[in-house]
This record gives sequence, structure tokens and C-alpha cells, in this order.
Amino acid sequence: ETGVTQTPRHLVMGMTNKKSLKCEQHLGHNAMYWYKQSAKKPLELMFVYNFKEQTENNSVPSRFSPECPNSSHLFLHLHTLQPEDSALYLCASSQIGEKLFFGSGTQLSVL
Amino acid sequence: TQLLEQSPQFLSIQEGENLTVYCNSSSVFSSLQWYRQEPGEGPVLLVTVVTGGEVKKLKRLTFQFGDARKDSSLHITAAQPGDTGLYLCAGSISGGYNKLIFGAGTRLAVHP
Repeated sequence: ETGVTQTPRHLVMGMTNKKSLKCEQHLGHNAMYWYKQSAKKPLELMFVYNFKEQTENNSVPSRFSPECPNSSHLFLHLHTLQPEDSALYLCASSQIGEKLFFGSGTQLSVL
Repeated sequence: TQLLEQSPQFLSIQEGENLTVYCNSSSVFSSLQWYRQEPGEGPVLLVTVVTGGEVKKLKRLTFQFGDARKDSSLHITAAQPGDTGLYLCAGSISGGYNKLIFGAGTRLAVHP
């Protein structure tokens, strides 16, 4: 148990669907992250939030929309995704400047 | 473009064997981390190395940071089936953990 919980664990969606990924951390951290992990590719940083404020958007397409209502919760809203967006989406949290704790991820399949 | 190249991509060995995996870049990093990721889980931090030439040991795992801080290696002695997993290296340019650059990983399978 890393203290970072992601739901759902698996998600299958069509290209016209709208869905959301949820991440919750129970570690009292003040920074939260979304990463994308595709097969045989390095983890790609998508978004960073420090104290609920977005500090990094790594040129992510607008069909991915993050939301951070407080320091413990992070969402990734998905709409009109493409098949190439199929991947493992990992949430992480940390104290700013300190090591990351990852959740178990949401395995997303876009049909 | 800052890239971290990991080699080999895949490694399949018998229990008790030794192995080394590598992480190389043309960029200089202020620190470098190694993670292990098991199927269905997120990466878990194993170690952070900061100083050029630094060597850290974690039981049967030995981590080394290159003198020029551009490369690193992970050596496992007498591998066990529990060592099976995806080993990822990640480098920090700025010194913090906010913008890590990850390698694609080495997938290790240790057979009984």
C-alpha cells in the first residue's frame, strides 16, 4: 500500500465516450502528478500540480483535462480519445521537491 | 532532447545468476533514481544517487552513478525470482523530482 489510490484499475472506452480517472493520496503531500506509460516507451510526464495549482502541462492534447480540487485529489477527464491514447495512466504524489509515490495506475483501452 | 537509454530491454536468467543493467545518456543529471515496477503496480523507488562515482548498496543490489553523472548501472548478485520486474531509471536535470526523465526500462525475469 503506497497511500496513493487510483480508480478505476481498468477502463475500456469508445472514442466518443467521456470518462474520468480518479486519484487520491493519503500521505499529506502537496504535489500530485499524472504520468502516461505506453508499452516499451518511457514514462511521460503529463501534468504537475503544486498546492492545487497546475505548474506543468507537458504539451498534452486538450482531450485530456486535469482537475485538482484539493491537495489530496486529482482527476483526469477524458473525452474523444484516440486508440493511441491506450496506456497505463499513473498518478503520483510527493512533498514538493521530494521523492514520488506512485499509485497502481489505470489501464486504459480506447476502442 | 534529453533521453535515457536503458539496456538490455529484456533479460531472462536463472535463479542465482548475476546481472547488470545500464542507463545511459548524453545529458548530465543532478541526480538519478532507480525504480522497480511489478505487473499491475506503479513504480517503487529503490535508490537515488547524487554524487558522480557514488555507489549505493541495497542488499543484493548495487547501484553506481557514473563519474560524469551521465550514466548509471544496477548490478544484482545471485538473482531471486522475487527480483522479477521492470527496472526503470529516471534522471533529474534540475535537482528536484518534479520533472523526471525516465528510461523505457529493463524487463527482468528470474526463473527458479
